[in-house]
Amino acid sequence: DQQVKQNSPSLSVQEGRISILNCDYTNSMFDYFLWYKKYPAEGPTFLISISSIKDKNEDGRFTVFLNKSAKHLSLHIVPSQPGDSAVYFCAVKGTYKYIFGTGTRLKVLA
Amino acid sequence: GAVVSQHPSWVICKSGTSVKIECRSLDFQATTMFWYRQFPKQSLMLMATSNEGSKATYEQGVEKDKFLINHASLTLSTLTVTSAHPEDSSFYICSARDQYGRLATNEKLFFGSGTQLSVL
Repeated sequence: DQQVKQNSPSLSVQEGRISILNCDYTNSMFDYFLWYKKYPAEGPTFLISISSIKDKNEDGRFTVFLNKSAKHLSLHIVPSQPGDSAVYFCAVKGTYKYIFGTGTRLKVLA
Repeated sequence: GAVVSQHPSWVICKSGTSVKIECRSLDFQATTMFWYRQFPKQSLMLMATSNEGSKATYEQGVEKDKFLINHASLTLSTLTVTSAHPEDSSFYICSARDQYGRLATNEKLFFGSGTQLSVL
């Protein structure tokens, strides 16, 4: 059973607009969440993270929101740029490993 | 951040041959390395966790004899796909950390650049 779900496999957004990527998890004990960005044929790179003691973390154009009661987190990118086109994975920290979602392919249209 | 180097970046081999993938930590001592596999349009699936000097811990459903992991030094771990078949074609990614045991609260993984394996 998938513990971390990204229900939208793809998303297209116009350049300059906001991109919102969503992620749901099943275990309320998870306490640390991350977003990774991945280009084709490359390893993932860390983007932003959030601890369960917060509900928002911001880093430049990237903001992650955490709704613990809904077991939901989202990544907002604003303004979106063509270079943001990639696959985005959310991940939750387990005790000894990270569990990754299925990914959302973001395409930012120029 | 920590630099993790993975080699080769892509490999094509014939069915039945073995392929070795290397993962090196360039600026730190990697006591633990994680090996992932990604099928097209799918998530990163953890295959195994290797601690330097000890046997790797494999995830459920991953064949130990098929995917041999060696972590003999603090800077190098290797994954060998033995007797590769077309269904082993995938993108393999390693990640390394500089400590054993439980993940720290705000720890994040640094990944290698990945290896695309195509078995003909």
